[in-house]
Amino acid sequence: EPEVTQTPSHQVTQMGQEVILRCVPISNHLYFYWYRQILGQKVEFLVSFYNNEISEKSEIFDDQFSVERPDGSNFTLKIRSTKLEDSAMYFCASSQGLARETQYFGPGTRLLVL
Amino acid sequence: GNSVTQMEGPVTLSEEAFLTINCTYTATGYPSLFWYVQYPGEGLQLLLKATKADDKGSNKGFEATYRKETTSFHLEKGSVQVSDSAVYFCALSDPRDDKIIFGKGTRLHILP
Repeated sequence: EPEVTQTPSHQVTQMGQEVILRCVPISNHLYFYWYRQILGQKVEFLVSFYNNEISEKSEIFDDQFSVERPDGSNFTLKIRSTKLEDSAMYFCASSQGLARETQYFGPGTRLLVL
Repeated sequence: GNSVTQMEGPVTLSEEAFLTINCTYTATGYPSLFWYVQYPGEGLQLLLKATKADDKGSNKGFEATYRKETTSFHLEKGSVQVSDSAVYFCALSDPRDDKIIFGKGTRLHILP
């Protein structure tokens, strides 16, 4: 069964450093998402991406964040200058369509900012 | 705005017990409703979903019915197993936007 994959599974970085989290969505899916889960808290929506542009973003997704689909398979989340509060589990998801289409989640990348 | 409220955990049950995890939602439109499960050390997996009122989602012995009149989507299982130990998230998506809104999650421990 096709699945969403994410790399790395864990990343430790120093405050102020740039990180890039990578995702390979399911191959025939057209919509891509990033969510995050701070330890012990809710899973929160960050951004959705379709047709090579952001279609929706949350208040969390400020200028420090960017997303990109650099080729036909990868979908990346870049945090330009990490802060301590960026420490979280980051989940990538993909779906065939919007609205009532199911979003399929990857296993997550645990980011720790020191 | 839209929101999901689910019962606080942790919930601890013995194997073969009956499980209910309550979930209620607030939405201005007609959302789709989901239960996702997160096993230890893993990501979010879709457990079941329902897209309209009175639909029943089911999978792996779990069931939930979309109740518009009570704005609820309670998760039930008749006989839980140790392998059901996980965190369960109730969630909704509004057809007018892209995101899924999650509840806080309920941690379930099943004792042998």
